[in-house]
Amino acid sequence: DIQMTQSPSSLSASVGDRVTITCRASQGISNSLAWYQQKPGKAPKLLLYAASRLESGVPSRFSGSGSGTDYTLTISSLQPEDFATYYCQQYYSTPPWTFGQGTKVEIK
Amino acid sequence: QVQLVQSGAEVKKPGASVKVSCKASGYTFTSYYMHWVRQAPGQGLEWMGIINPSGGSTSYAQKFQGRVTMTRDTSTSTVYMELSSLRSEDTAVYYCAREMGTIVGDDDAFDIWGQGTMVTVSS
Repeated sequence: DIQMTQSPSSLSASVGDRVTITCRASQGISNSLAWYQQKPGKAPKLLLYAASRLESGVPSRFSGSGSGTDYTLTISSLQPEDFATYYCQQYYSTPPWTFGQGTKVEIK
Repeated sequence: QVQLVQSGAEVKKPGASVKVSCKASGYTFTSYYMHWVRQAPGQGLEWMGIINPSGGSTSYAQKFQGRVTMTRDTSTSTVYMELSSLRSEDTAVYYCAREMGTIVGDDDAFDIWGQGTMVTVSS
């Protein structure tokens, strides 16, 4: 199974900050990577797929990049509604579909 | 609009079984795989398995093999997840999630999620 490791596990940031979250796969996943946002008590929401493709309706301040085993989610200017937990997921080698452990973005 | 609506919260005793439903609407039910993902309190997301709503074939995570059964009813566009021999560690929110690519394409991300069903296992 492919293991997904996110860093950091949590971070504190202010509104307007640029935030970067990293996801590393245990083997190459050829851009078959998704990012999800989850707010407390809510289901996860798809933000990006294929590493860098923005899901319809998602603000353009979210972007994704990477290749091989290393991928990044960037929020260019953090907004109050962006405080949440973010998960990466690989779908290159399945089953299983595997998630990172999550990164909690908190208010500084 | 495209949506998945799950059944309500459940409280079960250890050793019992639970069956959670997920009703799809707004799209062709048989054209998209459906997955089940669970999340224990304060924990991350854990993939449980997948069902092909067209033919009913399934694949389960090794951790749940022998305890989980996923089925579907095409007449009502509903998928079901039954977990047996429940233990306290199964206390979690259970989500159904649609895979965004159609069943004839490559594996893909999950674009539509149900609202979640809380299952509590307690004596």
